[in-house]
Amino acid sequence: EAQVTQNPRYLITVTGKKLTVTCSQNMNHEYMSWYRQDPGLGLRQIYYSMNVEVTDKGDVPEGYKVSRKEKRNFPLILESPSPNQTSLYFCASSLRQGYSGNTIYFGEGSWLTVV
Amino acid sequence: AQTVTQSQPEMSVQEAETVTLSCTYDTSESNYYLFWYKQPPSRQMILVIRQEAYKQQNATENRFSVNFQKAAKSFSLKISDSQLGDTAMYFCAFMRSIQGAQKLVFGQGTRLTINP
Repeated sequence: EAQVTQNPRYLITVTGKKLTVTCSQNMNHEYMSWYRQDPGLGLRQIYYSMNVEVTDKGDVPEGYKVSRKEKRNFPLILESPSPNQTSLYFCASSLRQGYSGNTIYFGEGSWLTVV
Repeated sequence: AQTVTQSQPEMSVQEAETVTLSCTYDTSESNYYLFWYKQPPSRQMILVIRQEAYKQQNATENRFSVNFQKAAKSFSLKISDSQLGDTAMYFCAFMRSIQGAQKLVFGQGTRLTINP
């Protein structure tokens, strides 16, 4: 079954404690990205990756890091989380970059609360 | 910059009625894709319908159809014979490729409630 899997699904953490949200896809997709969803703002892109070792900033990258060492995995790293990073996070993937008609597959979302 | 605007934060209709959700967008691109996503209480993102900008014919998927007005940059979603399971947040989204990178730009969302 085609899947984008995120972990953890729910997390409450404290300010400044580094955390990583993992994302893995089983579809051999080249393109992966992270979004955050906030009330009244919809979803906004944080980072994206067009292939292994190729990553770039989206619209709201401050406070986040990513890496793409393997094609299937695209972890989101919060080095020093702050309360304004409390949000619902989505990982997404698609088959081929450059063709904007590709179906985007979303993970189930990760609720992150920073206190 | 591309922007997507959904002017109806919340809507509520009775079961079996028809409801239309509005969406406008701003772009200087000539070729792009538009989407409607449904987000039920589970928070899963579900693709409802997709429209290619160069196609004049409006997309339809069963009870869901769009009214795509390219010149007006309008992309509304019509849900016919609404069902309780249609209760969800609906997001309009615009996508294009930027130097090979696919970027989805979302609207703010419309919370739709179907009442029995």
